[in-house]
Amino acid sequence: EPEVTQTPSHQVTQMGQEVILRCVPISNHLYFYWYRQILGQKVEFLVSFYNNEISEKSEIFDDQFSVERPDGSNFTLKIRSTKLEDSAMYFCATDLSSYGYTFGSGTRLTVV
Amino acid sequence: KQEVTQIPAALSVPEGENLVLNCSFTDSAIYNLQWFRQDPGKGLTSLLLIQSSQREQTSGRLNASLDKSSGRSTLYIAASQPGDSATYLCAVSGYNNDMRFGAGTRLTVKP
Repeated sequence: EPEVTQTPSHQVTQMGQEVILRCVPISNHLYFYWYRQILGQKVEFLVSFYNNEISEKSEIFDDQFSVERPDGSNFTLKIRSTKLEDSAMYFCATDLSSYGYTFGSGTRLTVV
Repeated sequence: KQEVTQIPAALSVPEGENLVLNCSFTDSAIYNLQWFRQDPGKGLTSLLLIQSSQREQTSGRLNASLDKSSGRSTLYIAASQPGDSATYLCAVSGYNNDMRFGAGTRLTVKP
């Protein structure tokens, strides 16, 4: 069964550093998303991406965050100048039109 | 803004029981609703997807229903097993492609 692959599975970074989280979507999927889950809290929508541009973003997705699809296969989330409160599980999801999301297994980001 | 609520927050049942998990949402203008399973520290596994035009979906021992007008969905698990122990998340998608999640129901099935 096709999978969404996320790397790394765990990333530890110092406060103020930049991190890039990577996702390889399912090959024929058209819609790409990032979500995050702070420990013990709800899964929260960050951003959706379609046709090489952001289609929707939440209030969480401020100037600290950016997404891109640099090479037509990877889908990345960059967090500039990380803060302690950015520590969370970050999930990538992809979707082929209305067939429902497929989530990756997540990247656990720990900011120290 | 769409708000998704799941009741109960936690549920503990003996093996073999049938159970119902509830999900409610505030904005009935949804595109679809999806139920996920999440094991501790792990990702999200899709269980069932119901399009807004559908009333229910079934997969094995799982049955999910959707009443869009009243903003409710239920997930029915038949003959529960210890392996069903996990957190079950309900999520609704709007027409703008963002998905809103409930806080989940943490299910424990005791042998």
